[in-house]
Amino acid sequence: EAGVTQFPSHSVIEKGQTVTLRCDPISGHDNLYWYRRVMGKEIKFLLHFVKESKQDESGMPNNRFLAERTGGTYSTLKVQPAELEDSGVYFCASSPRDRAHYGYTFGSGTRLTVV
Amino acid sequence: KQEVTQIPAALSVPEGENLVLNCSFTDSAIYNLQWFRQDPGKGLTSLLLIQSSQREQTSGRLNASLDKSSGRSTLYIAASQPGDSATYLCAVGDSNYQLIWGAGTKLIIKP
Repeated sequence: EAGVTQFPSHSVIEKGQTVTLRCDPISGHDNLYWYRRVMGKEIKFLLHFVKESKQDESGMPNNRFLAERTGGTYSTLKVQPAELEDSGVYFCASSPRDRAHYGYTFGSGTRLTVV
Repeated sequence: KQEVTQIPAALSVPEGENLVLNCSFTDSAIYNLQWFRQDPGKGLTSLLLIQSSQREQTSGRLNASLDKSSGRSTLYIAASQPGDSATYLCAVGDSNYQLIWGAGTKLIIKP
């Protein structure tokens, strides 16, 4: 089965610009998550979708970040306008309903650099 | 609030040695615990998943243990190889579907 796919793998944008990250989860996984690792810090939770609904967005840093999951399939994370502190690696993960037994599968991440 | 700590932050050992990586967490009410490895510039690869009701899991040369009462998990790597060099991350799953991460242990296996 195909894994979790993220693109782009790298993105360099100027402060104030907009960037959209995309995540394609494993087919059939209801749960989709976004995480972020900024330089020198631990990986932090951003938000969680169950199908097309936002289950938990308590980790979203501010209203410059907007996540969507169209039809419960792929998800996008838009940063508008980007700031320097948004630089980091953004990871997407998915899990089936039975996450207790199957855990989380992560994508390769998108490395975002805001200059 | 759950906090996850990994010790040591970095470890360098000669090839062939057995080694133990440590992960501790402050709240024993966990849903599961997952160990990952990350190679430089790469994504997160799941190594082992331990459910809260389990004590250990094994995959090849890897063995992970879980002691919820003491808030600890260990990842044991037998007969280490240069290909094991990577950063190893411990993540605790809570009831809200969130993973709380440690900072990782950077492992270097010297040929």
